[in-house]
Amino acid sequence: EAGVAQSPRYKIIEKRQSVAFWCNPISGHATLYWYQQILGQGPKLLIQFQNNGVVDDSQLPKDRFSAERLKGVDSTLKIQPAKLEDSAVYLCASSITGGRDTQYFGPGTRLTVL
Amino acid sequence: GENVEQHPSTLSVQEGDSAVIKCTYSDSASNYFPWYKQELGKGPQLIIDIRSNVGEKKDQRIAVTLNKTAKHFSLHITETQPEDSAVYFCAATSNSGGYQKVTFGTGTKLQVIP
Repeated sequence: EAGVAQSPRYKIIEKRQSVAFWCNPISGHATLYWYQQILGQGPKLLIQFQNNGVVDDSQLPKDRFSAERLKGVDSTLKIQPAKLEDSAVYLCASSITGGRDTQYFGPGTRLTVL
Repeated sequence: GENVEQHPSTLSVQEGDSAVIKCTYSDSASNYFPWYKQELGKGPQLIIDIRSNVGEKKDQRIAVTLNKTAKHFSLHITETQPEDSAVYFCAATSNSGGYQKVTFGTGTKLQVIP
């Protein structure tokens, strides 16, 4: 079974530039999550999708971050414009139903904002 | 919202010794507590979980205990091996608007010394 795929793995940009991350969840998983993991901290949920609808985006900085999940499968997370404090690893995860079931994480995208 | 505290932040043990990581949570409604292992450059991977109707669960060298009254849970690794070296995250899951929301602890970096 293929795992959660993310791209790119690494990205370096200047502040005020834009960046986009892509995630392909495990086939058949209804729930998709985007997390931000700052160095030395635990993952922080940015947004959670159930199929192609948003169920939780309370911690998403909506003035600069946006996310969409096309047709309830792939998802993209965009930052525009980036700030220095956005430097982090962005993790995508998926689960079958979003209930008390296992979340499967991708390898993450390490973003460095200079 | 839920708040999860995790201790210690770093832990060094000799190979063969036991390691214990402790977490506390604030939301008494939390009902599912997974533990994740994150190796360098990879996303977190579930290693064991426990539900609120169970006090203890064991899987080979790994065990988790839950004290709902005190709102704390612990991870126990026995007979540690060098490959156990990684960052471990606890998490607590509570119902939020009909969906389960996961809050992660801050992580424990475990080093097993050969």
